[in-house]
Amino acid sequence: EPEVTQTPSHQVTQMGQEVILRCVPISNHLYFYWYRQILGQKVEFLVSFYNNEISEKSEIFDDQFSVERPDGSNFTLKIRSTKLEDSAMYFCARTTGGTEAFFGQGTRLTVV
Amino acid sequence: GENVEQHPSTLSVQEGDSAVIKCTYSDSASNYFPWYKQELGKRPQLIIDIRSNVGEKKDQRIAVTLNKTAKHFSLHITETQPEDSAVYFCAASKNNQGGKLIFGQGTELSVKP
Repeated sequence: EPEVTQTPSHQVTQMGQEVILRCVPISNHLYFYWYRQILGQKVEFLVSFYNNEISEKSEIFDDQFSVERPDGSNFTLKIRSTKLEDSAMYFCARTTGGTEAFFGQGTRLTVV
Repeated sequence: GENVEQHPSTLSVQEGDSAVIKCTYSDSASNYFPWYKQELGKRPQLIIDIRSNVGEKKDQRIAVTLNKTAKHFSLHITETQPEDSAVYFCAASKNNQGGKLIFGQGTELSVKP
C-alpha cells in the first residue's frame, strides 16, 4: 500500500504549548483523516478533510484543534494549547476515494 | 449516536486453534466494515473488509461474516499462529466515499505456542 509519512514520530511538549503534527500523503489521495488513540484504548476519529476543507469532525475536535494543507502537500494537525489529556498516538490516514483507509505510522504526543 | 461494540476484550488460544471476534454496530446505515490488526507500538493495518452487499468474505486463514439484520459482524481466524498475536479492531463506516471509521474497543489476541 502507498505510504503515508508522519512527522515527528515522537513529540514531547509542555502543557499549554502549541504542537503541529504533519502528514505527507501521496498526491492522488482524496480524503485525509486524523485519528487519535490514547494508550490502551480504541482508535477515535477526529476530523476528515476533502478538497482542502473539513468534511466532518468529531466532538473531540474542538476549538483547540485545527487542520490545514498549507502547501498542497503536507497535511497538518495543530493543537493550540496542549493539555495532559491530549497525550496519545495521532494517526493520519488516507483513502483514494474508496472506503479503505490506510494509516500512517503515527506520532506519539506526550504532554508533560 | 454511532457506536461499535466489540467482544471479547481479550482472547487467548492455543496455536492451531480458531479465534472468533464479534462486533455489533448501532447505525443501520453503516455499509462498510473493516478489520485492523495493531501490533504493539505500530499503526493499525487493514487485514480484511466487507461491504454490506456481501455476507461473507475469506482471505486465506481469515474470514469475515456480516449479518445486516442483526447488525453483527465477526472475524474468524483459523489455524492461529503466534504471529497472529496482536490487538484486533473492528470498525464501521456509513459513507461510500470518505466516511469516518467508528472503531470497536479492540480485542487483544494471544496465541500460545
